[in-house]
Amino acid sequence: DARVTQTPRHKVTEMGQEVTMRCQPILGHNTVFWYRQTMMQGLELLAYFRNRAPLDDSGMPKDRFSAEMPDATLATLKIQPSEPRDSAVYFCASGPTGTYEQFFGPGTRLTVL
Amino acid sequence: AQSVSQHNHHVILSEAASLELGCNYSYGGTVNLFWYVQYPGQHLQLLLKYFSGDPLVKGIKGFEAEFIKSKFSFNLRKPSVQWSDTAEYFCAVNYRNTDKLIFGTGTRLQVFP
Repeated sequence: DARVTQTPRHKVTEMGQEVTMRCQPILGHNTVFWYRQTMMQGLELLAYFRNRAPLDDSGMPKDRFSAEMPDATLATLKIQPSEPRDSAVYFCASGPTGTYEQFFGPGTRLTVL
Repeated sequence: AQSVSQHNHHVILSEAASLELGCNYSYGGTVNLFWYVQYPGQHLQLLLKYFSGDPLVKGIKGFEAEFIKSKFSFNLRKPSVQWSDTAEYFCAVNYRNTDKLIFGTGTRLQVFP
């Protein structure tokens, strides 16, 4: 039963600290997406990759957020420095190219104090 | 701009009641349509999807949705809800010139025994 995995599942940190979230997409999936979910804003697309190349990161605050895919089995989302307004659940999703269906990971619940 | 509207923000039903959740999308050419469900504290899971063919789509757990092209709608239905259907439901649209899904703001469904 292939699944998207994310680590850590929970992260509590202090303002100003660097946060790195990791995602392992389902093997064979060519597209990877990062979303942020908050009560106020709902589900927001931050960035996405196809075949490891970043295609759209327009939803991401560029000054503090960065997203990369060092290889096909790992996607990272980094926040430096973190701020309390970054507190949210961050979801990674992957999908095979051409099907447009996305499979979501369990999320990382981030709390920035 | 491409957008998805879910007009019902919060729906409260008793068990065995019928359910219909509205979803409308803005025109943007050919679309693929999805409904996702998010149980409390969990990640998004696919309920059903429409790509082409029969506009009445059946999904898991007794859910179905009907694509009405002339109304740009993809409403979700279930004849008889259960307490276990308590969750948040997201409609999502893929416009076929992109890998991205545009999500609605979600509808929170509460079912009371």
